[in-house]
Amino acid sequence: GENVEQHPSTLSVQEGDSAVIKCTYSDSASNYFPWYKQELGKGPQLIIDIRSNVGEKKDQRIAVTLNKTAKHFSLHITETQPEDSAVYFCAAYFSGSARQLTFGSGTQLTVLP
Amino acid sequence: EAQVTQNPRYLITVTGKKLTVTCSQNMNHEYMSWYRQDPGLGLRQIYYSMNVEVTDKGDVPEGYKVSRKEKRNFPLILESPSPNQTSLYFCASSQAGANVLTFGAGSRLTVL
Repeated sequence: GENVEQHPSTLSVQEGDSAVIKCTYSDSASNYFPWYKQELGKGPQLIIDIRSNVGEKKDQRIAVTLNKTAKHFSLHITETQPEDSAVYFCAAYFSGSARQLTFGSGTQLTVLP
Repeated sequence: EAQVTQNPRYLITVTGKKLTVTCSQNMNHEYMSWYRQDPGLGLRQIYYSMNVEVTDKGDVPEGYKVSRKEKRNFPLILESPSPNQTSLYFCASSQAGANVLTFGAGSRLTVL
């Protein structure tokens, strides 16, 4: 089955700096890679996603890049703000799987004022 | 408001006392799923359902049961809870063929 590894498990940055979270996946047939943000006391919420026919996608301060050859994808957050502090999960979807997404282990991002 | 509603949000129980965590969605989604979240392990899938009366095991189904008698509801049943089922549980749903999951707010379960 699909396996998704996520690094780092914790990340602290100064407000205004950039943050990068990286994930690798095992199944080369995976074709959809979302990122979810989980704020304290809430359920995860989709913030950005990318499909395998695209190398990069950007939405204001967040961007995701995908390297299909190396089977890894990354989340980039620029100009970090305190409200970016949360747990971030990457995930991968294999179109042949009925079980939908396989999640990474999560990254606790803390933005220091 | 489109949402997934879980109850209870918090529960402390004792080993062996059967409990049910309810999940309901108002978006007419075909797909529903249960996850547990544990430190360092991320979100692991327990069971999922592609539609009414269609359920299947995820990665960690041991000790859990589910049913899908109605499209909107997908309860998680712990017949005989044990301390290793202490965890944060999430229910999620999506449209068939779509990958975007809508999660509930979570249910924190403690088994003593």
